[in-house]
Amino acid sequence: SQELEQSPQSLIVQEGKNLTINCTSSKTLYGLYWYKQKYGEGLIFLMMLQKGGEEKSHEKITAKLDEKKQQSSLHITASQPSHAGIYLCGADGRTQAGNNRKLIWGLGTSLAVNP
Amino acid sequence: NAGVMQNPRHLVRRRGQEARLRCSPMKGHSHVYWYRQLPEEGLKFMVYLQKENIIDESGMPKERFSAEFPKEGPSILRIQQVVRGDSAAYFCASFKGGQETQYFGPGTRLLVL
Repeated sequence: SQELEQSPQSLIVQEGKNLTINCTSSKTLYGLYWYKQKYGEGLIFLMMLQKGGEEKSHEKITAKLDEKKQQSSLHITASQPSHAGIYLCGADGRTQAGNNRKLIWGLGTSLAVNP
Repeated sequence: NAGVMQNPRHLVRRRGQEARLRCSPMKGHSHVYWYRQLPEEGLKFMVYLQKENIIDESGMPKERFSAEFPKEGPSILRIQQVVRGDSAAYFCASFKGGQETQYFGPGTRLLVL
């Protein structure tokens, strides 16, 4: 079965610092999703990557998927307290297109940003 | 356009009671997933439904758990005879056929005493 590993498990940074979170899959991915979860709340969609080598950015967050489609990174530039939360990567492990998009999840990276 | 709605947000049940969790997908979405997040564990897929059909229930325990998504009304996740191990956050996510992104509700946090 497919496994998804996230690192680091937790991260504390000073406001203004850059940081990177990694997500590694044991199998080639059909798609890779990044979500953010605030403590005790639901998941907020950040970005979805599908093509090898793809890179997407939104505000100060950049996500990349490697050429082999087995590893993704999430990079936050000039972190702010509003970036604090749990970052989750979810893998769509389909081998071909279809409607069942059930996601397999990493355990999450807990991010704290000190002002 | 309202997002995915879940209710109740918090639910307390005693062992042996039934729990009913509701999920109203985003407008125009006919696909619903249910995930469970146990304490100290990651999110786990439970069941995938389309309107009036269960497409994949491979992640749902065979006993005590059931799910439905009727033609009208919200999707329901039903847990009969709850046990303490059922205490968790239950999330539903919806998506529109043809699109890739799943949108999540705020979750229902179930506590079994």
